[in-house]
Amino acid sequence: AQSVAQPEDQVNVAEGNPLTVKCTYSVSGNPYLFWYVQYPNRGLQFLLKYITGDNLVKGSYGFEAEFNKSQTSFHLKKPSALVSDSALYFCAVRAVRAGFQKLVFGTGTRLLVSP
Amino acid sequence: DADVTQTPRNRITKTGKRIMLECSQTKGHDRMYWYRQDPGLGLRLIYYSFDVKDINKGEISDGYSVSRQAQAKFSLSLESAIPNQTALYFCATAGLAGGPTYFGPGTRLTVT
Repeated sequence: AQSVAQPEDQVNVAEGNPLTVKCTYSVSGNPYLFWYVQYPNRGLQFLLKYITGDNLVKGSYGFEAEFNKSQTSFHLKKPSALVSDSALYFCAVRAVRAGFQKLVFGTGTRLLVSP
Repeated sequence: DADVTQTPRNRITKTGKRIMLECSQTKGHDRMYWYRQDPGLGLRLIYYSFDVKDINKGEISDGYSVSRQAQAKFSLSLESAIPNQTALYFCATAGLAGGPTYFGPGTRLTVT
């Protein structure tokens, strides 16, 4: 069964420093991987996805993610964090059953960016 | 977020009451989903629908039912609410396979 793991409940980083939010996956076959962000009192917003191609995927708000097949990881990164990046981040993998797509989510990582 | 709307946004209800959460989308997607979010557990799938004639149980469907009234509408019902159904509920839609899933703003439900 497809699954993702986010090993950190919370990540703290100072504004202007690079940030990494970790995600590892377990899938059979080729992985379709996603990152979503949830700001307070808001729904989830799509950040980026990996399906195939370049291992470095660029997304919204200056975020990028690096797909590493050998380490089964899909870490979210940003070169310079902003206070406004503080939010809850979810990694997800697409699971397919009987031709129907659904997302399986990790437990989420809270990112806190301090001024 | 405006493409997927949920009503109500907040609801407090008592144990044993029936409650319906509604979802509408203007994206023209066939696939619709209901998830619940609990702290430390992430999002878990309750039900999903491929089209108006196709409804499937997710990981945690017990105590819930759904209705796909039209391509654009997918409602979630709690027939007899219980306190451990207190959570944040999200409706979502998806179009092409491999594409992103779009989420509504969520409904915060409290069962006392």
